[in-house]
Amino acid sequence: DAGVTQSPTHLIKTRGQQVTLRCSPKSGHDTVSWYQQALGQGPQFIFQYYEEEERQRGNFPDRFSGHQFPNYSSELNVNALLLGDSALYLCASSPRWAGPTSYEQYFGPGTRLTVT
Amino acid sequence: GNSVTQMEGPVTLSEEAFLTINCTYTATGYPSLFWYVQYPGEGLQLLLKATKADDKGSNKGFEATYRKETTSFHLEKGSVQVSDSAVYFCALSAYNTDKLIFGTGTRLQVFP
Repeated sequence: DAGVTQSPTHLIKTRGQQVTLRCSPKSGHDTVSWYQQALGQGPQFIFQYYEEEERQRGNFPDRFSGHQFPNYSSELNVNALLLGDSALYLCASSPRWAGPTSYEQYFGPGTRLTVT
Repeated sequence: GNSVTQMEGPVTLSEEAFLTINCTYTATGYPSLFWYVQYPGEGLQLLLKATKADDKGSNKGFEATYRKETTSFHLEKGSVQVSDSAVYFCALSAYNTDKLIFGTGTRLQVFP
């Protein structure tokens, strides 16, 4: 049973460019959340997708956008990259059917984005 | 708003020592509480959880008890191993949501 997978593993971009990160959820999971983890910090919630729609959003600007596909996989897009966007981007999946008190999020290994 | 505060690290221990990592939280209602572990170069792994007051989560020798009266969820282990060296994150999710709010993490270093 494959866990959460993310691609690419590492990415280097220049300020002002755009980037797309990809995530495939754990088998049987239909909800995908994205987190940003700056160096030495805890992860910060970006947004969550369920049924191909953004359901919750954290305190991130509109430069951060996403998408969920019918197979539950997801993309995170960041436009007009800033140096401060350098971070580890983590994808997490969970099963909506498990009920609210049973939510457990399974994390992928992350994509390390460096903006120069 | 909701938040999590963890003790700062690094925590440095000898093998077989007793471990405590403090975690307190601020939240409205009845959040669920979690401990996640991050090994070098890897993503986060759920270590244990508790979903209501007085629940004790446990896994791999680690334990934490949900204390509503002190708004705490301290992580403990009776005898640490070198392989426990990692960064530990305390987190909460508010009632009826799975959005996680994390603390800043505590690095544990265990020496033989």
